[in-house]
Amino acid sequence: LAKTTQPISMDSYEGQEVNITCSHNNIATNDYITWYQQFPSQGPRFIIQGYKTKVTNEVASLFIPADRKSSTLSLPRVSLSDTAVYYCLVGDEDGANNLFFGTGTRLTVIP
Amino acid sequence: NAGVMQNPRHLVRRRGQEARLRCSPMKGHSHVYWYRQLPEEGLKFMVYLQKENIIDESGMPKERFSAEFPKEGPSILRIQQVVRGDSAAYFCASSTDTGGSNQPQHFGDGTRLSIL
Repeated sequence: LAKTTQPISMDSYEGQEVNITCSHNNIATNDYITWYQQFPSQGPRFIIQGYKTKVTNEVASLFIPADRKSSTLSLPRVSLSDTAVYYCLVGDEDGANNLFFGTGTRLTVIP
Repeated sequence: NAGVMQNPRHLVRRRGQEARLRCSPMKGHSHVYWYRQLPEEGLKFMVYLQKENIIDESGMPKERFSAEFPKEGPSILRIQQVVRGDSAAYFCASSTDTGGSNQPQHFGDGTRLSIL
């Protein structure tokens, strides 16, 4: 049973804002929502984490509605170097310590 | 402050040989995780260790695979009698003392294992 659902791929032009939405209908009360970015031949890199409402850092913003059943990662003014796979994760339901990675969203930024 | 260091970056083995993958966590991190990634797929959890203890190995195959994180030195993922299906990228991650699935994990750049 998949814990999260996100689009398989997205394309965007340079300079545009990109929003990637993730569904997590079975999120548990204690779970946080975490996004990672992975470039080819590299390990995933932590981008942002949130529990509710909105979180912003120097890289991205994360929007979480009140029911927490979905979240949206927002990347402002993307550049070619933002081309990567983006993974949305939530804490495991039974409190285990591993992360469940789905197939992620492959973002391609076009010049 | 060095990140998670994995070596070797690339490892080639023939079927039946042993593969040893090493991981040095970030300074101050005592929780280590190993993941496997096949091409075009997400990472799959294998094992979670703290110093000298295996906490969760639910994702690790019961045979041929083992992991350790000794008191001194790096964490080791060991694959005995490798087969072609073991070809993959193996990633190590570490987190701070608190651990937990809500704790951000810091990843190394992986070891790409190729079985001839």
